[in-house]
Order: sequence, then structure tokens, then C-alpha cells
Amino acid sequence: SQELEQSPQSLIVQEGKNLTINCTSSKTLYGLYWYKQKYGEGLIFLMMLQKGGEEKSHEKITAKLDEKKQQSSLHITASQPSHAGIYLCGADIRGGDMRFGAGTRLTVKP
Amino acid sequence: NAGVTQTPKFQVLKTGQSMTLQCAQDMNHEYMSWYRQDPGMGLRLIHYSVGAGITDQGEVPNGYNVSRSTTEDFPLRLLSAAPSQTSVYFCASSWDRTTNAGELFFGEGSRLTVL
Repeated sequence: SQELEQSPQSLIVQEGKNLTINCTSSKTLYGLYWYKQKYGEGLIFLMMLQKGGEEKSHEKITAKLDEKKQQSSLHITASQPSHAGIYLCGADIRGGDMRFGAGTRLTVKP
Repeated sequence: NAGVTQTPKFQVLKTGQSMTLQCAQDMNHEYMSWYRQDPGMGLRLIHYSVGAGITDQGEVPNGYNVSRSTTEDFPLRLLSAAPSQTSVYFCASSWDRTTNAGELFFGEGSRLTVL
């Protein structure tokens, strides 16, 4: 989707390292979703952010929403091999039309 | 609770053949949608429906038809398959997105190859 740009496209980190994935929108963000996809499988919902400045955490994953910058970041602390996969951000463009970024492929080396 | 069920999981077609990808959900969700996933391009929205009898086009609707005769089902039809439609297709559903946006629940995907 051209509306959502994710960076980096791929990331290789050593186990135990921290990392950040960014999602930038060309339009005002009213809600931002993060999903994880394991290779060849379906999508797993991680978090939803709706308000500017909102920050949510689940286990070692933290997501923040900066409405002014039209950007969200996903931060993983002390990465583990189980974190490997494709991370996708999604946003409602208009009622019913939900778009996704191209995804960030994360590899965690043991 | 089955969630979102897609069939078939794998399909091989020849160019010009038609087929229907089935999607059913048992969560009484108003909203349903179809995405295709291609390498390096993430998920692209094909069609979506905000309720029975209502459908709308997404980002890449050409070559695909949908209908929503019941709340539970949202089939995706390929009328004349083309190699460019080789992809992994995901069906998703959620509660009413126009008034109460929330997470999308995804099916496990259908891998389609068009020769």
C-alpha cells in the first residue's frame, strides 16, 4: 500500500538485541494495527493504537503512535528466535477500507 | 469456535479457468474482506463488505468478483484466472468497522497458482 510505508524492509539481528520497526502513513492516522505473520502462516494480531501518544506493550513488544508525525514504531526488547517473522502495520483509510504496509521481515540469529 | 475458515487451502488453475475461494466466519461479524499477499508487497485489499448485501472495491479489484448474501459467507470469484493472480489470498472479518474499528481476524490463507 502506498499509504503505509514500513522500514526497514528486512532486519537481521542477533538474539538478545533490541530492534525497532517503523510504519509511516501518508495520511492522518486514526488507528494503527500491528500484526505478525510467521512464514507461510496466517496473521496474528499484536496491538491496536488509536490515540496520539498511545503506547502499548505485550511481553517484550512495545508499540507507540505519534499522530503528529503520522508514524508508529514497534520496538522489541531482547529479541528471541520466536520473534522471527513478518511484521505488518495496518490502518483504516476510510470506513471498511483497511490497508497494510509491505511488511518487515525479521530474522533473529541464535 | 472455528473463527474464519477459508477453502481450499491450495489450488492450481490453468489460465482462463474460473474458481471460487470460500470464506466463512462464525463470529457474527458485519465486516469481511479479501486480501492478496505477494512477495514484497504486503497485503493488498481486493474487496470488502460492511454487511450483508453490501460490497465495495479495495485497492486491486480487477479480475475478482464478490457477493455477500449472508453475514457468514463472503466468497471470492475469479472469472478467468490469469498468471498474475498467482498469490496467497487471505480472508478477514471484524465487527462493524465504520463505527467500532477493531482487530481483523484472519483466515489461514489460500495459496493459488495459475499456470
